Amino acid sequence: EAQVTQNPRYLITVTGKKLTVTCSQNMNHEYMSWYRQDPGLGLRQIYYSMNVEVTDKGDVPEGYKVSRKEKRNFPLILESPSPNQTSLYFCASSRGPSYEQYFGPGTRLTVT
Amino acid sequence: GENVEQHPSTLSVQEGDSAVIKCTYSDSASNYFPWYKQELGKRPQLIIDIRSNVGEKKDQRIAVTLNKTAKHFSLHITETQPEDSAVYFCAASGGGTSYGKLTFGQGTILTVHP
Repeated sequence: EAQVTQNPRYLITVTGKKLTVTCSQNMNHEYMSWYRQDPGLGLRQIYYSMNVEVTDKGDVPEGYKVSRKEKRNFPLILESPSPNQTSLYFCASSRGPSYEQYFGPGTRLTVT
Repeated sequence: GENVEQHPSTLSVQEGDSAVIKCTYSDSASNYFPWYKQELGKRPQLIIDIRSNVGEKKDQRIAVTLNKTAKHFSLHITETQPEDSAVYFCAASGGGTSYGKLTFGQGTILTVHP
């Protein structure tokens, strides 16, 4: 089954404790991206990757890191989480930025 | 960078009525405009998209129109049904130096009353 998976689905953590949210796709997509969703603000792109070893900043990259060492995986790293990073995070993959985005199930992160 | 504004933020209609959601964008180099539907607790899913070389596209009860000159595009849903109730997001895919970026609007909560 073609899918995008994210782990964990829910995470409660404390300020400053490094965490990683994993994202994996099995559709051989070149393009992957991360979004955060906050009420009234829609989906905001954090980082995107056009291909392996190619990553670029979206609209809200501050406080986040990503890596793309393999085509299928695109982890999101919060090295020192802060409460303003409490949000719902979605990973997505597609053939490219101008094609249908396939979203993962989402990760709800709470930073206290 | 690209800025996408979406209106209205909430829309309430009676079953069978039409619903229209409008978006404006700022970057004239943007060339791909998708619409996503997100049901409560679910992930966004594409419902229709349009490219900059096309003015209108229809898929059954759903249509999208694009006015490149005015830099706005709209989602039209006819004969609305309760299952159309969801949050709808428009987006614009950047061109030129912004190629790769995908900017979403703020979302519209559509409620269809039976």
